Amino acid sequence: DSGVTQTPKHLITATGQRVTLRCSPRSGDLSVYWYQQSLDQGLQFLIQYYNGEERAKGNILERFSAQQFPDLHSELNLSSLELGDSALYFCASSTGVVANEKLFFGSGTQLSVL
Amino acid sequence: KNQVEQSPQSLIILEGKNCTLQCNYTVSPFSNLRWYKQDTGRGPVSLTIMTFSENTKSNGRYTATLDADTKQSSLHITASQLSDSASYICVVSAVPGGFKTIFGAGTRLFVKA
Repeated sequence: DSGVTQTPKHLITATGQRVTLRCSPRSGDLSVYWYQQSLDQGLQFLIQYYNGEERAKGNILERFSAQQFPDLHSELNLSSLELGDSALYFCASSTGVVANEKLFFGSGTQLSVL
Repeated sequence: KNQVEQSPQSLIILEGKNCTLQCNYTVSPFSNLRWYKQDTGRGPVSLTIMTFSENTKSNGRYTATLDADTKQSSLHITASQLSDSASYICVVSAVPGGFKTIFGAGTRLFVKA
């Protein structure tokens, strides 16, 4: 168990809808990262938050947004969903802010857009 | 351009056999290289970390090597077990400044009885 909790584990929705994925980092970790993994593809970095502030942005679509709350949990909001957004979404956490730290990953949220 | 390329894309071996996975990178300036294991449907788990000055590091049956001059790393798995079936992801980080952690596409390993 990595200590990173993601909910829900599975999510099935329709095109055009909006969903929210939730992540609780390991106790003591200040950084939260979001990744997207499409079928048989590598992990694509979306966004990083450190102690409530956005630190780095990757290939995140404008339809997607995220935030990190004072209790350090994070939410990833996906709107105007398209079929191509179906993927595994992983949250990871680390202690500090630098990019070269060991990441602890949650078990992911499987999003299916029908 | 910062890139991490892994080979082979997939590999099938018999239980008990050894195998070696490759990772070539162009990430610069180099900070460290990690190998992660990702079981199907699960999040990746870190196996090893290699810094610039390290050539070899072992974690049980897993041995990682790093050649910083040629920018190559390998992950050697000894006496494979069925539970080794997973994707193995090479991740290279660059510092200072900015966010440069690049994930390879992974090697899918299948261990058959």
